Parts: sequence; structure tokens; C-alpha cells
Amino acid sequence: QVQLVESGGGVVQPGRSLRLSCAASGFSFSTYGMHWVRQAPGTGLEWVAVIWYDGTNKNYADFVKGRFTISRDNSKNTLYLQMNSLRAEDTAVYYCVRDNYYGSGSPDYWGQGTLVTVSS
Amino acid sequence: QTVVTQEPSLTVSPGGTVTLTCASSTGAVTSGYYPNWFQQKPGQAPRSLIYSTSNKHSWTPARFSGSLLGGKAALTLSGVQPEDEAEYYCLLYYGGARVFGGGTKLTVL
Repeated sequence: QVQLVESGGGVVQPGRSLRLSCAASGFSFSTYGMHWVRQAPGTGLEWVAVIWYDGTNKNYADFVKGRFTISRDNSKNTLYLQMNSLRAEDTAVYYCVRDNYYGSGSPDYWGQGTLVTVSS
Repeated sequence: QTVVTQEPSLTVSPGGTVTLTCASSTGAVTSGYYPNWFQQKPGQAPRSLIYSTSNKHSWTPARFSGSLLGGKAALTLSGVQPEDEAEYYCLLYYGGARVFGGGTKLTVL
């Protein structure tokens, strides 16, 4: 069965960096696009970024452009989100989500999320 | 900045039918926006329900259906069950980037 397990969350000071990881199993990781979606406490879902199956195409939400970088290592079945210049408003649960196509499709399977708290 | 708008809250009686909608600030929602719908219950990760306007995932109950209605994407629940009480989010595709709606809190009462 499809499993997505996020890690790397925690408490970080404003302006610092953090890298999230998502370990994928139960499917052929290298043939699916992947998304990051976040949810600030008590608020709605925000789409963050998508990466195509081979890493050649990436798209970002405007609010993270230039600060966050999505990447993947298909040899390790792992998705990453490098977050730089973190702000208090980046505090959220970050979900790793599989795309049901190469990267131009729709989210289908979700991980359980990892909490990032940006605070001094 | 693109905004996707949903009803903040709706109430439906058990066994009833309810339609949630999803509008785009850029104009009418068409199939080219590949509307998606997700359900989220308190303390849980979201669950995908509908993709590309009206396609169901293998786990989506038959009482959920998606469509386009009056320039908006729509999610209809027919024969609502108490366990359908949840937050529902739509997602639209904007040429690579995606944008979620603000969510609709559905109360079954």
C-alpha cells in the first residue's frame, strides 16, 4: 500500500533554514509527481509546490518562490522541501502528497504531515 | 493574486442532499482547471475525493459526485451520512500551480 512518511519538522528561529523529507513506499516513486501542501494551525490547506516524476519541472506557490526548493532523489524514494528564510507565517503542518500522474495531475495519497514551528 | 472561493459553512440533514461550490477569481471554472475535492476531519490528514471535475478515487463513496455548475466546480453529496460532517476543500489548477479554496465546514444536523 502507498505510504508517505514526512520527517524533519521542529522548532526553528525566524530567518533560519529547515529541510523536510518524505519517504515513499508501496509504489513506483520515480514515475509519479509529488506535492507539498501545508496547513497553518486552525486554518485551511495551502498548496506549496509540485515536482515532476523526473525532477525536470517544478512549480511553486507565489508565497514561497525564492525561499523554498522542492527536490527528489528517486534512488532513495525520497522527496524533499528545503525551506530558507523562514517566517512566523510558515508555521504549519507540511504534508507530502503523491500526484496521480507525472506531476501535471491531481493529489491522491497523503502523508500524515510534519509540524514546522517558526518562533524565536 | 488568484483567489478560490467556497461557502464558509453549510448544514444538511442526515439523508439529505447538499451541493458545495468552488469559484475562481479569474472567471468561470472549466474542466481545464481540473477541479479536485478533498475531505478533512478534525485531527486527520486530508483525503482526496474527486479529481478532474468528476472522477472518483477507488475509495470515494458513491454518494459523492463532482460537476461543473453555473461557472463553478461543484461537489454534491446525496444521502448524507453523519460521518460526512467534515471540512471540504476544492483545488484548482492554474497552468502548473494549484490553489486551494478556503474550505467549507459541512455540518450534518
